[in-house]
Amino acid sequence: ETGVTQTPRHLVMGMTNKKSLKCEQHLGHNAMYWYKQSAKKPLELMFVYNFKEQTENNSVPSRFSPECPNSSHLFLHLHTLQPEDSALYLCASSQVGGVGNQPQHFGDGTRLSIL
Amino acid sequence: LAKTTQPISMDSYEGQEVNITCSHNNIATNDYITWYQQFPSQGPRFIIQGYKTKVTNEVASLFIPADRKSSTLSLPRVSLSDTAVYYCLVSPDNTDKLIFGTGTRLQVFP
Repeated sequence: ETGVTQTPRHLVMGMTNKKSLKCEQHLGHNAMYWYKQSAKKPLELMFVYNFKEQTENNSVPSRFSPECPNSSHLFLHLHTLQPEDSALYLCASSQVGGVGNQPQHFGDGTRLSIL
Repeated sequence: LAKTTQPISMDSYEGQEVNITCSHNNIATNDYITWYQQFPSQGPRFIIQGYKTKVTNEVASLFIPADRKSSTLSLPRVSLSDTAVYYCLVSPDNTDKLIFGTGTRLQVFP
């Protein structure tokens, strides 16, 4: 139990579908992150939110749309995805954003498959 | 951000001590060294972090020489459950942007 819960754990969707990934943290943290981990590639940072404000968009295509309604919840809205978007999507949180020397706590991810 | 280099894979047997070394030749003054562990189909887990000399916790030790151009993660008496990928990250204290490399895949045999 990491204190960061992601749902669903697995998702299969067609390229024309719209779906959302959900992340919830129970650690009282103020920063939340989305990462993408493709097969045989390193984790890639996608988005960063600090106190509900987006502070980083790592050149992510607009078919990925993040939403952070409060410091405990983070969503990733998906639409018109491509097969190369199939990957493990990981959510993480940390005490405060913008500070490097603090651990990030990861969820176990959503395994996304695009048909 | 400093680039890290670590072995792609390592093998060990249960009960042995495992040392994984990471090179980071262009580490900056305000950079910290952090290690994460990742099991299949799970997110990475923080193991240990240090700035210089030696840090020890209940899971591992981290050795950092004076020049800080490398670091060594030491896992005492590994078990089968330590089979995982281990990532070495170097990042400054003024950013939360973690840059993961390909990590070291540790396989522990009975």
